Amino acid sequence: KAGVTQTPRYLIKTRGQQVTLSCSPISGHRSVSWYQQTPGQGLQFLFEYFSETQRNKGNFPGRFSGRQFSNSRSEMNVSTLELGDSALYLCASSTGTTVSSPLHFGNGTRLTVT
Amino acid sequence: AQKITQTQPGMFVQEKEAVTLDCTYDTSDPSYGLFWYKQPSSGEMIFLIYQGSYDQQNATEGRYSLNFQKARKSANLVISASQLGDSAMYFCAMRDFSGGSNYKLTFGKGTLLTVNP
Repeated sequence: KAGVTQTPRYLIKTRGQQVTLSCSPISGHRSVSWYQQTPGQGLQFLFEYFSETQRNKGNFPGRFSGRQFSNSRSEMNVSTLELGDSALYLCASSTGTTVSSPLHFGNGTRLTVT
Repeated sequence: AQKITQTQPGMFVQEKEAVTLDCTYDTSDPSYGLFWYKQPSSGEMIFLIYQGSYDQQNATEGRYSLNFQKARKSANLVISASQLGDSAMYFCAMRDFSGGSNYKLTFGKGTLLTVNP
């Protein structure tokens, strides 16, 4: 079974631009979550989608948005990039139906904002 | 309030020895799950082991075991017979339903484990 695929692996953007990150979950997984990882703040939850509906949202500004398609693939968009948005963005999928279902992570997209 | 606490920023262990990574958590929900993940320098997050709040026995997965002490709200990861490839960052995480945060995982700050030859 293929794992979680995130594209692109690396991105360099300029402050003020916008960026879209993509995530393809494990086949059969209906839940997709996004996390931001930085050395200072650690792993912070952005949002989670289940069957195309946002089910949970973290404490991030509205510049961070996401969506999920009918095939469970998900995209995350960050508008008006700031230097502080430089981070590793991790996508994870799960069945999303039980408390015991683990998240399976992709390799991440490393975003650098200059 | 911080829900997951990992008090050891870094740990060192000799190859072939056992090591315990600490994790304490806080929740008012009687139903919750605890997870451990490994993150090598490559960046991928690898799921290691799971313990449910109602599980009667401590979870084990190969060389990984979880020392679950519910009353103390601790879920320490034990790695037996350490290998050089175990050198990585280790994260403890919890899923509960308090505050309506369904299915979200909350992570600790992590412990950087270094295995010495």
